[in-house]
Parts: sequence; C-alpha cells; structure tokens
Amino acid sequence: DTAVSQTPKYLVTQMGNDKSIKCEQNLGHDTMYWYKQDSKKFLKIMFSYNNKELIINETVPNRFSPKSPDKAHLNLHINSLELGDSAVYFCASSQGTVKETQYFGPGTRLLVL
Amino acid sequence: GENVEQHPSTLSVQEGDSAVIKCTYSDSASNYFPWYKQELGKGPQLIIDIRSNVGEKKDQRIAVTLNKTAKHFSLHITETQPEDSAVYFCAASGTAAGNKLTFGGGTRVLVKP
Repeated sequence: DTAVSQTPKYLVTQMGNDKSIKCEQNLGHDTMYWYKQDSKKFLKIMFSYNNKELIINETVPNRFSPKSPDKAHLNLHINSLELGDSAVYFCASSQGTVKETQYFGPGTRLLVL
Repeated sequence: GENVEQHPSTLSVQEGDSAVIKCTYSDSASNYFPWYKQELGKGPQLIIDIRSNVGEKKDQRIAVTLNKTAKHFSLHITETQPEDSAVYFCAASGTAAGNKLTFGGGTRVLVKP
C-alpha cells in the first residue's frame, strides 16, 4: 500500500543520455512535486503540478521536462544528462495547497558518469 | 524569495538528553512551518508543523516554537532515543514565496546510546 512510489530507485547512466523517472501516488492528492537533493542534502523544489496543471516551475534547465498524464502521476524526463545532474530526485504529493502535509516518495538516485 | 537558514548542521546528543534545532526565515509573509525527518535512504517525512497563528505546538516528545517577530522557529526533541538519529529539515512557506516550501540546509542528529 505504497503511498508515493518512484521508479527506478537507482539510475546510472552516461553523460548525454536521456532518461525518465516515474512517480505515482495512490493518496488521491491533487498536487504533486519534484524535488532535487544534492550531495550536501540540500532539498530544492523543481516543479509542482496541481490537477495536471503546472503551478511551480523553478529555474531549472529546460533539459528537465515534467509531464503529468493524470493527477496521480508525475514523470520527469531529463535530456542530455550532465555530471551536475547527479543527485537524488524526490517526488511528493499533497492534498490541495503546499500548506498541507507533503508525502515524499523513496527517491531516485541518479548518477551520471 | 524566501531564505531559510538552519543551525546546527550536525548535532550529537546522549540518549535521553534533549536536542534543539533552530531555523530563521527571511520572508515575513511566510505562515506555514513544517519539520521533516529523513532517515538514511528514505524520503523526508513530516513530523510536526506549525502555522503562524500559533506560537507553540507539541506532539509527545517533539515540540515546535515560532517567533514571528524575530522570524525564527525551533524544533525541540526531549528524551532522545537512538531512533531519533536522522537528518531533520525545517521549511517555510508563504504566499509571497510562490506558495512553495523552502527548506533549510538540514541538521544531522546523532543520538549516542
């Protein structure tokens, strides 16, 4: 009965490749997020969707493109991967606005070689 | 935009002692302040939150205090146990910040048995 799930858990790839990370939540929440956690554990919001509509788009390279096919799914596609993209990417969801509890997935550990 | 600073970055306490983590924020419009706990290899999990109309909130061994005038808030953990060892993040959110959570840099807490 996983609440927020992400696939894959680990992703090791070469520079220049394109990869996708998938996220699904079974909590019935309206809002989903992507966060990046760097090697120093700093957590930063990347994107947020509410009912499939993009509501937060931080200053991330346009190589990163989120897609929400429905309100239970939020995927992240990354083109032309760079070394600096290596990080842990977390998906999260909440009911309504950000002032509600955010439930985080287990993370996807991306290593770009 | 919002800036959240968190101190200390690491905290080592003896089992049974108390732990205190402090955060300051810059945006006076922020009105929601959650605390997250992240265990090794897992996603962050909400442990307690406080809204700006409240000065203090307690949940068993965990308490949070908020000083809106000084723009700082603190997490207090009493009677620490080894399972409290984790990284703790404070965060702040307000309408002026684009309705998103801005996280502090994290505090690594180690409870020594």
